[in-house]
Amino acid sequence: AQSVTQLDSQVPVFEEAPVELRCNYSSSVSVYLFWYVQYPNQGLQLLLKYLSGSTLVKGINGFEAEFNKSQTSFHLRKPSVHISDTAEYFCAVSDPGGGNKLTFGTGTQLKVEL
Amino acid sequence: GAVVSQHPSWVICKSGTSVKIECRSLDFQATTMFWYRQFPKQSLMLMATSNEGSKATYEQGVEKDKFLINHASLTLSTLTVTSAHPEDSSFYICSAKSTGRTEAFFGQGTRLTVV
Repeated sequence: AQSVTQLDSQVPVFEEAPVELRCNYSSSVSVYLFWYVQYPNQGLQLLLKYLSGSTLVKGINGFEAEFNKSQTSFHLRKPSVHISDTAEYFCAVSDPGGGNKLTFGTGTQLKVEL
Repeated sequence: GAVVSQHPSWVICKSGTSVKIECRSLDFQATTMFWYRQFPKQSLMLMATSNEGSKATYEQGVEKDKFLINHASLTLSTLTVTSAHPEDSSFYICSAKSTGRTEAFFGQGTRLTVV
């Protein structure tokens, strides 16, 4: 069984400041890792994913994440946020051998303020 | 990127009636579709996984007779909420993937309100 922990339910940040959204996971097998963004009353959009290879993954909208196997983490970062980044962010894992079902964290609400 | 269309985007129905939600993959063949439920300010909970042409696999605690899932073609899956009650009010989201792909693409969700 897998689980995902997003410790921060809300992260307020000023525009143009850097931000890090934390994600830790637990799994007894190797996993794929994902970050999704959800705007109000909408579905999920993939920001980035880690499957294998380089531990630093770059995604859309200037986001990046780093896979740290020893710390079982996959934190999401952006060096300078914009008002339009205000949204809910979900970290998710899937078991490559388990039909690719996603297990989601509880989400982090990023609120960018002027 | 691949597009998944979900319809309707919102629906209000009376208690006791049934409502059907469609999930379509517009530009790829969706061999597997997933249905999720999301309560306000909470995460997505997987309800069931469906593979084209076979019965859906439901997660523990999900009533298969209440949430009927059909995946009759490679581009369409439907979720029917039967005899809906106010506690079924929620945001329902589908996702779809094709064989060999690691990524599933999400629909825009359906807001169901049962009154």
